[in-house]
Order: sequence, then C-alpha cells, then structure tokens
Amino acid sequence: QQQVKQSPQSLIVQKGGIPIINCAYENTAFDYFPWYQQFPGKGPALLIAIRPDVSEKKEGRFTISFNKSAKQFSLHIMDSQPGDSATYFCAASIRGNNNDMRFGAGTRLTVKP
Amino acid sequence: EAGVAQSPRYKIIEKRQSVAFWCNPISGHATLYWYQQILGQGPKLLIQFQNNGVVDDSQLPKDRFSAERLKGVDSTLKIQPAKLEDSAVYLCASSLGNTIYFGEGSWLTVV
Repeated sequence: QQQVKQSPQSLIVQKGGIPIINCAYENTAFDYFPWYQQFPGKGPALLIAIRPDVSEKKEGRFTISFNKSAKQFSLHIMDSQPGDSATYFCAASIRGNNNDMRFGAGTRLTVKP
Repeated sequence: EAGVAQSPRYKIIEKRQSVAFWCNPISGHATLYWYQQILGQGPKLLIQFQNNGVVDDSQLPKDRFSAERLKGVDSTLKIQPAKLEDSAVYLCASSLGNTIYFGEGSWLTVV
C-alpha cells in the first residue's frame, strides 16, 4: 500500500549541482516527514526531517521544502558532492506512531566529479 | 554509542529451507522493528515490538514469517519455508521518539 510517491527514480548531476527529489503523500494525518540516506551495503540513516508547521527546514547543505496544501515535500542538496551519491528515501508518519511510517520507493543519486 | 547490530550479514538458502536473523537494538531503545527491503524499493514494515510486546504485525506473512523478542532486548526473525520472493534485505531498527535507527541489514538470497 503505497502512500508516499517519490520521484525521480534516479538522478545524475554534476558536482556543485542542486539535485531535487520530490515526494507526495496521501494521508492528511501524516505530520512527520523524514528523509533517509542509504549508502550501498548500509542501512538507511536519518538525514533531516520536517513537521508541517514550517514550510522549509535547512541543515547544512540539505533543505526540505514542504507544501501542506499540495501534500508535497522535496529535498534539495546544495553544492552537491560525489560523497552525496546514495539512495534517498522520503517517508511520512503520524508523530509518535512509527508503525505507520511509509517510505517512498527511493531515488538513486549520482553526483559526478 | 553502538548502533543496531544484525547477523548474519549475508545468507543464501534454497527455497523451502529456513533461515533466522538476529538483531540487537541500541541500548535503551524500547521499540524494535523488522523491515523488508526488496531491491529498488523502500523499506516495508514487517513487525514492530514495544519492549517484548507486538505493536503491529499486520504486514507480516504469518504463514511463513515469525519474530520474537522474548526479553525485550534482542530479537529474531525467522522465515520457514522460504520462497524465491523472500529475497531481500531484512533491516532491523530501533527508535527513541520519532527517529528510527537502522542496522546494516541481513541480505537474503533464496535460490
């Protein structure tokens, strides 16, 4: 049961570019939207997360933009580096109810030197 | 701080055989999860424990999958008998609040 749709499936950018990954959700009860980064052979690791009371959150080179009315949120990576090459997953859940956390299908990002 | 530990990292079995995966969560994390991640897809929750009680196992194929967390710490996930479509990475995770911490996963190939 997919409740979080993620696009694109894959993305290739040059070093210094700004890749943008988009997600859309269906359940209006979701109120916690994390992004996870996964390197090959490793488990996903929390990168950044946002709650719907703000429209943007920035942590270092990573920014989440959130549009509550459109039920969409996106991840922007500023000044991307080859070390950012990984698979990125968006997710959504109801705060305090992690068993309802739904993951997107993932975006495989390649940053070329 | 030690992360979520899982073993074995890799396992190849024939269909209809059984396999068991072990997980040790981060110390102090009462909530433990088992996720299945099929290649090219996001993690899908199989079962969630709060201490040694099951919170949600609605997506666990109970005819072949079982999981336990007897003392509220370590957990095992068992598949018996395995099918080809069970080939996936089995991720154990634990959480404190909303942040879920994943292990490196146990890669299962069923041939």
